[in-house]
Amino acid sequence: GAVVSQHPSRVICKSGTSVKIECRSLDFQATTMFWYRQFPKQSLMLMATSNEGSKATYEQGVEKDKFLINHASLTLSTLTVTSAHPEDSSFYICSAQYPGGYNEQFFGPGTRLTVL
Amino acid sequence: KQEVTQIPAALSVPEGENLVLNCSFTDSAIYNLQWFRQDPGKGLTSLLLIQSSQREQTSGRLNASLDKSSGRSTLYIAASQPGDSATYLCAVKEAAGNKLTFGGGTRVLVKP
Repeated sequence: GAVVSQHPSRVICKSGTSVKIECRSLDFQATTMFWYRQFPKQSLMLMATSNEGSKATYEQGVEKDKFLINHASLTLSTLTVTSAHPEDSSFYICSAQYPGGYNEQFFGPGTRLTVL
Repeated sequence: KQEVTQIPAALSVPEGENLVLNCSFTDSAIYNLQWFRQDPGKGLTSLLLIQSSQREQTSGRLNASLDKSSGRSTLYIAASQPGDSATYLCAVKEAAGNKLTFGGGTRVLVKP
């Protein structure tokens, strides 16, 4: 159990376009999901905390209008990179917090975004 | 602000040798600490989770210890195998809130 999926796994887009990444908890409901960004050979940096039914909480330095987060249901959060530029190219990973117990986070397989 | 450091950044060992990976954190007010494995281009796989009240957790060849007062955790992997080659990340969850703060990771290569 506790499986998290992401779609797409890989996306290549032209500069100026918007890209939507989906994060789904497949076998549990998650009121809280998280979005991370990882540059090559670096660790994960938390971008924002996504709360079902309310606005996301963004970390310092992350542009809210650039990275739109929607958590419309208990099993789905989406990250939209608006007007993407080459510097937005990165590996984006989501996680979903398992309810109860230790509130453990389970991670998706990641999405590789390349902006040309 | 919590800071998590992992030393060494990279490690290469011959097959069969035991691995010792270190993680240190600056704020001891943690809720739990997790060790993850990440293969290239993939997501994270949780290996062990240690609650702040626990001293260690074991799973198969893996053993993780936690010394909260000194801000340290160690992951031991016994009798390493080439399949253990990956990046290992530790992360701490603070007592207040749900955020995970990650260390920089240790890239492990086990040579056959």
